[in-house]
Amino acid sequence: AQTVTQSQPEMSVQEAETVTLSCTYDTSESNYYLFWYKQPPSRQMILVIRQEAYKQQNATENRFSVNFQKAAKSFSLKISDSQLGDTAMYFCAFMKHLLDSGGSNYKLTFGKGTLLTVNP
Amino acid sequence: KAGVTQTPRYLIKTRGQQVTLSCSPISGHRSVSWYQQTPGQGLQFLFEYFSETQRNKGNFPGRFSGRQFSNSRSEMNVSTLELGDSALYLCASSLVVSLGGSYNEQFFGPGTRLTVL
Repeated sequence: AQTVTQSQPEMSVQEAETVTLSCTYDTSESNYYLFWYKQPPSRQMILVIRQEAYKQQNATENRFSVNFQKAAKSFSLKISDSQLGDTAMYFCAFMKHLLDSGGSNYKLTFGKGTLLTVNP
Repeated sequence: KAGVTQTPRYLIKTRGQQVTLSCSPISGHRSVSWYQQTPGQGLQFLFEYFSETQRNKGNFPGRFSGRQFSNSRSEMNVSTLELGDSALYLCASSLVVSLGGSYNEQFFGPGTRLTVL
């Protein structure tokens, strides 16, 4: 079974500054996906960024980037130039690779989340 | 293209009652997953359906059940409600790829807020 741990229940950052959210995970799988999801106060869960474990290059999506350390089982999210609209709960999540599950696994295992507040 | 829709958005029930929640996936999406979100336990996987068949199931009691229709719409049912079933229930839909394909993103609905009194 996989576990995902987010050790920071809450964080705050000033607008325009950079913040890093931490995530560690535990798995015996060698192929998997890692995700960061954002859940704003409106409650709609949105995918922020995705990392495939076999790719060494860290994923980047505009102001969002990850630091993926496979050996350490660490997957942190860096938000640059923070904006007020970034205020949300952020969830780190794990999914077993589809090929290793016969293409049938769509189960996400989530961490408990980090509430990020961007202050003006 | 319309997103994932869930109905109703809010629901209040009393202990012992049963409830049915509905999820309509994005057009063309054939996989529907359900998650329970509570402050204490966080987000937990309930089950996933594809082609009207349950393919994956989380660690929940048999009071939680679901089904999927031929148009990919899905319902989940909770019988004999308990106070601890109060939660936000999220549905997510995804395209299903053939073996060897790449990952397809899961798109979440707005959720149904269930309160059990």
